[in-house]
Parts: sequence; structure tokens; C-alpha cells
Amino acid sequence: QQQVKQSPQSLIVQKGGISIINCAYENTAFDYFPWYQQFPGKGPALLIAIRPDVSEKKEGRFTISFNKSAKQFSLHIMDSQPGDSATYFCAARPRGSQGNLIFGKGTKLSVKP
Amino acid sequence: GAVVSQHPSRVICKSGTSVKIECRSLDFQATTMFWYRQFPKQSLMLMATSNEGSKATYEQGVEKDKFLINHASLTLSTLTVTSAHPEDSSFYICSAAPPTGDTEAFFGQGTRLTVV
Repeated sequence: QQQVKQSPQSLIVQKGGISIINCAYENTAFDYFPWYQQFPGKGPALLIAIRPDVSEKKEGRFTISFNKSAKQFSLHIMDSQPGDSATYFCAARPRGSQGNLIFGKGTKLSVKP
Repeated sequence: GAVVSQHPSRVICKSGTSVKIECRSLDFQATTMFWYRQFPKQSLMLMATSNEGSKATYEQGVEKDKFLINHASLTLSTLTVTSAHPEDSSFYICSAAPPTGDTEAFFGQGTRLTVV
């Protein structure tokens, strides 16, 4: 049973547009929600992360919005660029774990020039 | 930032042989490391948790005798795919988190295993 559901599966955005990826979780015992960016043939790299006591976090063009009551969190990429084209994974860390993560299924983002 | 190095990045082996993949934490000691498997265009699935000085903890459905994990030091964990078969072909990724504080997990660059 997947505990983190991610949508959409794929996304096409024009350069300069806003990319929005959504995730929902089913287990309340998570204490950390990171987003990872992965390019083909590479390991995932941390993009931005949020804890459940915060409703929004912004780092440059990347913003996480977190809705604890709805058990949802989303990634917004402002002014999307072709270089942002990659697969994005949301994840959740079980409380008390030592770093293992439960990943969403990923969203393949393509930013058209 | 903290770096996790994985080697090799690519390996091709013949069916029936064994392949070892190394995962090193370069600037922190990792008492725990994690091994993930990723099929093409799919998500990362946790295979096992590697514990320094003790046996690894495997996720349900992962064969411990096929995927041998050794975590003999605080900076090195190895995954050995034994008697490899074509269906073991996949992208294997390790991760580790510094033990101090509430920090992120760092991922290695992954190993593309192709069994022919």
C-alpha cells in the first residue's frame, strides 16, 4: 500500500510558467517531507524540504505548500526553465526513523522553451 | 554539504555471477545506510536498511540471500547481488543521513546494473 500519492505523473509547462506537483500522504506519523529532483541516470538530489509545523517554505524559485489537516503538500516551481526538466519525487520520512524515506511515484516535468 | 559516493556507476555482468556495489559516506559517519532499487520510469523502493556492525533489515519481498548487505565500517556499506539474473537489472541507489540532529538524507549517484 503506497503511503505517498503523487500527481500528475507527467507535466508539460512552457518556459516562464509555474509547475505544480501535488502529493498526499495517508499516515500521520511522518515528520519530514522532502522533494527530490532526479535527472536520467543520476541519483536523486534534495531540492527543498518542509516539516509539518510549517505551512510554506520558499527557496528561490521553489516553494513547498503544506496542508497538515488535508495531509497534502505541493511543490511550486516559479518561472520554470528548460533546465528544470527532470523527474521530481516527493517523499515522507516516518517519525523516529533514521533516514529512510517513502517516495511518491514521481512526476516527469518537461519545460518547453 | 554531505556527500555520499557510490561505485561503480555502471556495471554489466553475466548471468550467474555476483556484483558488489559500494556506498561511502565521505564526510560523516553513517551508522545507518539505505539501499533503494529503481526500475525505469518508476519510483525508488526501499530494499533494506544497512546497520553498521549488525545485520541488515530487509523490506518485505526482498531476498536477503540474493542481496547481501555488509556494513563493516561507519563510512562504507556494500550491496552484493549474488547469482545475478536479467531480472535483477535495475538502478540501485544508496543513501545515508548524518546521525547528528534532524538532517536530510543524501543519496549516492546510483549504479546501473545490467545482467546479460
